[in-house]
Amino acid sequence: QVQLMQSGAEVRKPGASVKVSCKTSGYTFTDYSIHWVRQAPGQGLEWMGWINPHSGAKNYAQRFHGRVTLTRDTSISTVYMELSRLRSDDTAVYYCARGDSKSWGQGTLVTVSS
Amino acid sequence: QVVLTQPPSASASLGTSVKLTCTLSSGHISYAIAWYQQQPEKGPRFLMKLNSDGSHIKGDGIPDRFSGYISGAERYLTISSLQSDDEADYYCQTWDTGAYWVFGIGTRLTVL
Repeated sequence: QVQLMQSGAEVRKPGASVKVSCKTSGYTFTDYSIHWVRQAPGQGLEWMGWINPHSGAKNYAQRFHGRVTLTRDTSISTVYMELSRLRSDDTAVYYCARGDSKSWGQGTLVTVSS
Repeated sequence: QVVLTQPPSASASLGTSVKLTCTLSSGHISYAIAWYQQQPEKGPRFLMKLNSDGSHIKGDGIPDRFSGYISGAERYLTISSLQSDDEADYYCQTWDTGAYWVFGIGTRLTVL
């Protein structure tokens, strides 16, 4: 079955970077885009960007431009989300999701604290 | 840019039905949307994609109690025979130009 497995929780200091992985299985990796969505504590869902695993094309939400980078490794069917210059308000659960919205990763808690 | 409007809260009694609303902004009433359920401390669960012609495609294992329909700019999620574990946050989401995802603020459903 389709699975998106994310890497484990991370703790970072303000100003640092974090890289979260999303390993896919159960379907052809290059057939669907991968999106990233985050959810701060007690808040709603916020879209961050997407990557096309086939072409490598990507697009980011305006508010994250310059801080977020999506990459992929087709040899291991994995997408990565790197967020730089972290602030305390980046503390959130980060999710990857397949482009048809049907399948989501389990979420990765990123805590930014001094 | 498309905006999705959801009421922040809704409530209904156990065993009854509830209708949740998601309103598309002016100029975007032909957009399809997706509905998600997010139970406490869990990730979003895809419920269905609701197309502009009223057809919908449900996620795997989503019971018949969950259905969707449209009326103009309104997109509805109806849950019948409410159960206690239907108590959750419900989000609508659409696809904007450039494959951007746009979410509503979510509706917190309380089952009384």
